[in-house]
Formats: sequence, C-alpha cells, structure tokens
Amino acid sequence: KQEVTQIPAALSVPEGENLVLNCSFTDSAIYNLQWFRQDPGKGLTSLLLIQSSQREQTSGRLNASLDKSSGRSTLYIAASQPGDSATYLCAVEGSQGNLIFGKGTKLSVKP
Amino acid sequence: KAGVTQTPRYLIKTRGQQVTLSCSPISGHRSVSWYQQTPGQGLQFLFEYFSETQRNKGNFPGRFSGRQFSNSRSEMNVSTLELGDSALYLCASSLDKNQETQYFGPGTRLLVL
Repeated sequence: KQEVTQIPAALSVPEGENLVLNCSFTDSAIYNLQWFRQDPGKGLTSLLLIQSSQREQTSGRLNASLDKSSGRSTLYIAASQPGDSATYLCAVEGSQGNLIFGKGTKLSVKP
Repeated sequence: KAGVTQTPRYLIKTRGQQVTLSCSPISGHRSVSWYQQTPGQGLQFLFEYFSETQRNKGNFPGRFSGRQFSNSRSEMNVSTLELGDSALYLCASSLDKNQETQYFGPGTRLLVL
C-alpha cells in the first residue's frame, strides 16, 4: 500500500530565505507526482507536476525534483515571501489514477 | 477558461440526514474525482468517474455514492450522515487519468451536528 510522508509538518522561516520541503513515498511504481498549495479553508492549487520519466520541473521560484528509485521528491522555494505562507501537499498518482496525499507541510514566512 | 466549481460551498446537516454535493469540471475535462479532507486523516480518495462510469473507488462505506452526467458534471451523495462525515469535500477534474494534472475546486465544507 502506497504511503506518502512529508517532513517537516510545519516550518517557519524569515522572508527571503530559500527552503526545501520533503516528500517520500513507499512504492516507486508511480505515474507522476504533483505538488499542491492549500490556503486555509480553500481548495488545492496545483503547483508542479512531475511525470514519472522526469527528474524535475520548474515554475518561477519553485523547483521540484523526483527520484523514483529512492522514493523521494523535494520542493525548493527560492527567496520566500509572506505570500508563500500556506500548506504544501505532495501527492503521487498510482496505476488506478487516484492521488495519494501526504499530510502536508505548513509553511509560515515571517516578514 | 472557468475553473472547477462546487456547490454548495457550506452545508450544515444533522445526523441521519442525507446530502448531495455537486461538482462542475473544467470545460473539456472528462474525469472527475472526489476527495474527503479531515484534520485527522488528511485527504482521502472517494471515487473517480469518467464518461459517466465509476472507474475507481476508495475505501469508504456504501453510504458514499456518486454519479456523473453526460456533460461531465458530477454529484456525490452521502446517506445517513454521521458526525464523522464532517469534512471538506473536494472534487478534481482532469482530461483523463494518468500523467494529467488534476485541478481542484474550492470544496464544500460539510458540518454534521
């Protein structure tokens, strides 16, 4: 059974700092891995999708990497801003097509 | 292009009642998935519909059901509500499954009293 773990559960950083969020999964047989952002009480916003054949994806200040063999992904946020404060979720898509989510990392960026 | 919309956004029900939630996917998307989010369990997959057929189902009791219409709009129904059904219910749409980005709606927050 696929399990997704995100570490740390919460993170507080000063504005301008670069940071890394971690995601690990137990079964390397995935189709893709997706990073989402969730603001309090809101739905999920897709940030980056990494196909199983890819190693990384970049969008603006965000860079996500995928290492299927070790069951790990990282989300790198450069020059963090207070507006980046949110919960970040990673999810893997298995053969059935449904997403399996981690519990998320709650990020707080202090001005 | 309009995003995924869900109605209603908030709902209060009492135990034993039933509820129907609605989801309209992004135009052109044929796959709709439903997820339940609670503080304790996080996000859990309920079911997925594609072209009016349920293709995949999570580990939820039979009180949770859904359907999809010919225009890809989807509804989920929960019968005999329990206190533990209080959650944020999210739907997501995609062109198809596997290697396609899933786009989520704002969710319906259900409170069962």
